Amino acid sequence: QVQLEESGPGLLKPSETLSLTCAVSGYPISSNYWWGWIRQPPGQELEWIGSIYYDGNTHYSPSLKSRVTLSVDTSKRQFSLNLNSVTAADTAMYYCVRQIGSGSWAFDSWGQGTLVTVSS
Amino acid sequence: QSALTQPASVSGSPGQSITISCTGTSGDIGSRNPVSWYQQYPGKAPKLIIYEGDKRPSGVSNRFSGSKSANVASLTISGLQAEDEADYYCCSYAGNDRLLFGGGTKLTVL
Repeated sequence: QVQLEESGPGLLKPSETLSLTCAVSGYPISSNYWWGWIRQPPGQELEWIGSIYYDGNTHYSPSLKSRVTLSVDTSKRQFSLNLNSVTAADTAMYYCVRQIGSGSWAFDSWGQGTLVTVSS
Repeated sequence: QSALTQPASVSGSPGQSITISCTGTSGDIGSRNPVSWYQQYPGKAPKLIIYEGDKRPSGVSNRFSGSKSANVASLTISGLQAEDEADYYCCSYAGNDRLLFGGGTKLTVL
């Protein structure tokens, strides 16, 4: 049973860089799954940020691509999200997820989420 | 405004069947792109209940079913139970790394 756990700062100031890490346990990160990030502003809908394969291949949402970088560390069994130049609009619950292959575009495992607030 | 349109709320009585619609365009749902559905309880992470339009992950009740017609995807819950009360989100790939979510539907079990 795969388990995902997000970690990282919960409060940022505008213009700072959001950095989150997702620890993967119970399933090999170097497998036929993609690993990604999805966020949800309070009371709003879900938004996919991007996904990464264990070999470093990535897919990014076009609306965030200019500010997002995903990375993976297979030795530590974790993957990470960096989002630069944050604003209040980036305030959201951030979930790390496992994606069922690159063609299904479905996410079958989710972390519990971590709330990130951007405020001066 | 969400890229995919869902009704804000639906309701039904225990034992009944309800259907939640998700309306897109010919560029997403209508283009044979995969559609998925998620169930989310307040304060919890979403849970995948349907993927690739009509497939259920292991462990998901067969009371949940998905279908699609033209630009509209649908989630049907049969034999409604109190535990089904939650928010439901649809999701469709739209090409060129665009993944769209609906605005969510709140299901109330009367």
